[in-house]
Amino acid sequence: DTAVSQTPKYLVTQMGNDKSIKCEQNLGHDTMYWYKQDSKKFLKIMFSYNNKELIINETVPNRFSPKSPDKAHLNLHINSLELGDSAVYFCASSQDILADQETQYFGPGTRLLVL
Amino acid sequence: AQSVTQLGSHVSVSEGALVLLRCNYSSSVPPYLFWYVQYPNQGLQLLLKYTTGATLVKGINGFEAEFKKSETSFHLTKPSAHMSDAAEYFCAVSETGGGNKLTFGTGTQLKVEL
Repeated sequence: DTAVSQTPKYLVTQMGNDKSIKCEQNLGHDTMYWYKQDSKKFLKIMFSYNNKELIINETVPNRFSPKSPDKAHLNLHINSLELGDSAVYFCASSQDILADQETQYFGPGTRLLVL
Repeated sequence: AQSVTQLGSHVSVSEGALVLLRCNYSSSVPPYLFWYVQYPNQGLQLLLKYTTGATLVKGINGFEAEFKKSETSFHLTKPSAHMSDAAEYFCAVSETGGGNKLTFGTGTQLKVEL
């Protein structure tokens, strides 16, 4: 069974479109995250949610809106896509955000290409 | 603010040779330290982590790392490289009270040659 899954795996779209990426974890974790990995493979956190509550929002443009319908799901909606949004987006989860040493489990990534 | 520096964006070793990937951090408080590995077109997988206690940490696939507070380092080693170790390796840090936010280094691509 996949622990952290993301759909779609690949996403190719035009500038200006709106798209969503879905993430689900079956680990029973309370906390979920979104990371962006750019073309140089640099990884940076975007958001974290704990039990459906936004905890971390790292100066991400408000075109990006995370939504957590329940603690097993954290979706990422992106409005008005720009060329610079092309990247690999990783979802992750951990047991408890209050414990800073918790291992984060990553999904396989969604490769977004904006043309 | 915390930061992580990984010296050497590309490291090449021969199969059977020692692997040494360097990681230095800066943090205002003692951090928690992690090494993750990313195989091509895959997500990240935890190799090992340091939280408290013994400063030499053993991880999966024969890797280990030593936390040296005086040197603010957490270098990753493996005595004998295998072809299957070829991947991207990321050092990361999180701070107490930071909401388990991981700050990553820029990664080191490990190439293993015959």
